[in-house]
Amino acid sequence: AQKITQTQPGMFVQEKEAVTLDCTYDTSDQSYGLFWYKQPSSGEMIFLIYQGSYDEQNATEGRYSLNFQKARKSANLVISASQLGDSAMYFCAMREGGRSFQKLVFGTGTRLLVSP
Amino acid sequence: GAVVSQHPSRVICKSGTSVKIECRSLDFQATTMFWYRQFPKQSLMLMATSNEGSKATYEQGVEKDKFLINHASLTLSTLTVTSAHPEDSSFYICSARGTSYNSPLHFGNGTRLTVT
Repeated sequence: AQKITQTQPGMFVQEKEAVTLDCTYDTSDQSYGLFWYKQPSSGEMIFLIYQGSYDEQNATEGRYSLNFQKARKSANLVISASQLGDSAMYFCAMREGGRSFQKLVFGTGTRLLVSP
Repeated sequence: GAVVSQHPSRVICKSGTSVKIECRSLDFQATTMFWYRQFPKQSLMLMATSNEGSKATYEQGVEKDKFLINHASLTLSTLTVTSAHPEDSSFYICSARGTSYNSPLHFGNGTRLTVT
């Protein structure tokens, strides 16, 4: 079964608009972490935002915020005031459990295209 | 922030030869590094977890003898693709976690391997 599901293969948004990228996850662990990464065409993976399962407030980092709905197991990324440079692949990822060396499981990604 | 350096960024080699990819954590010690593989337009798939001073842990379906991992120090892990074949052509990307539990994974810029 998919641990991380990103149902939107591609999204389009106009510059300066907000966009929401969906992510749902599946885990039976109580302790886990959710991450969003951006991958531009150059291939590097850029960390955007983190949400811990015990965090009561939604994470925010500048123009990025994470809409964390624990009961629904969703962790959507909201990008406000989109910029042309936001065009990239976006990956949602999860780290499970309390072990020291947890690995990340990635979703299939959403390609965001920001138009002028 | 934490920086992970990966070298080389691109490599072309002939079928049957071996290729070594280096992953260095530049400003922190990484007891654990992770090696991912990404095919075009697909997500990152974890290949192995590299532990300093011990053997790497490989994911199911990844050939240990083909993808040799060495984590000789707290700042360096290497992936050697042995006897490379065209089907090994892919984007290989390493990552390392910072020292605290909630540290995100920081990724190298990746290595695009082309086997001719």
